[in-house]
Amino acid sequence: DAGVIQSPRHEVTEMGQEVTLRCKPISGHDYLFWYRQTMMRGLELLIYFNNNVPIDDSGMPEDRFSAKMPNASFSTLKIQPSEPRDSAVYFCASSFALARVGAQYFGPGTRLLVL
Amino acid sequence: SQQGEEDPQALSIQEGENATMNCSYKTSINNLQWYRQNSGRGLVHLILIRSNEREKHSGRLRVTLDTSKKSSSLLITASRAADTASYFCATDGIGAQKLVFGQGTRLTINP
Repeated sequence: DAGVIQSPRHEVTEMGQEVTLRCKPISGHDYLFWYRQTMMRGLELLIYFNNNVPIDDSGMPEDRFSAKMPNASFSTLKIQPSEPRDSAVYFCASSFALARVGAQYFGPGTRLLVL
Repeated sequence: SQQGEEDPQALSIQEGENATMNCSYKTSINNLQWYRQNSGRGLVHLILIRSNEREKHSGRLRVTLDTSKKSSSLLITASRAADTASYFCATDGIGAQKLVFGQGTRLTINP
C-alpha cells in the first residue's frame, strides 16, 4: 500500500484566498483524522471521520475551516478565507479503529504558508 | 488541551548511548502510544502500551507505563544517527474517543 497520500505537499497563498487540502487514506481504514502542527501549539486534532461521517469537529478553529469526506478514499480540508495564522503543517491520518485498538498512519503533510 | 507532556524537550547524546524520554499525563487512559517524526515528515507509530501493561519491547525500544504515577518512558538502546527525530507520546483517555499528543522530545544523536 502507498500509505496515506496528501496533496499538495506545499502551498503558498495570499491572505483571503481559498485553500483546499486533499487526502487519500489507506484502503480499508475506517477512520480519517485531520491534524494541524505548529511550533506554538504542537499537534492538534481538527476533525475526524468514521465511515465517511464526521464524528468530532470540536478542534476546528472556526467557521473558515470545513472538511468533507465524500467517499471512503478521499477527504478535503478547506480554509476560506485563509489568514496568516493558518500557516502550519496539516496532516491527514487514517486507522482501522479508534486509538484504543491500534495505531494511526500519518501522511507526509501539507506545509501551508499564508502571506 | 495537552494530555501528554514529554520530558526533556530536547536531548542530545552520542551514538551508541541509550536515550530515555519521559511522558506524563493527567487523566486515566486506555492506552499510550509513542510516535516518531523525522524532520519534514509525518508521524510514524512506534509502539502501543495498554493501561494494564507495565512494559513492552520492540527491537531497540523499551516502553514502560506506570499508571499510578501517570507516566511512561521510552528507552532507545544503542542509539544510531538515524534515530535523530522528534518523539511524541499520545494518550487515549478513557471516554476521550481520540488521541491527544504531547509536545514531543527532540532527540539528536551525534556521530
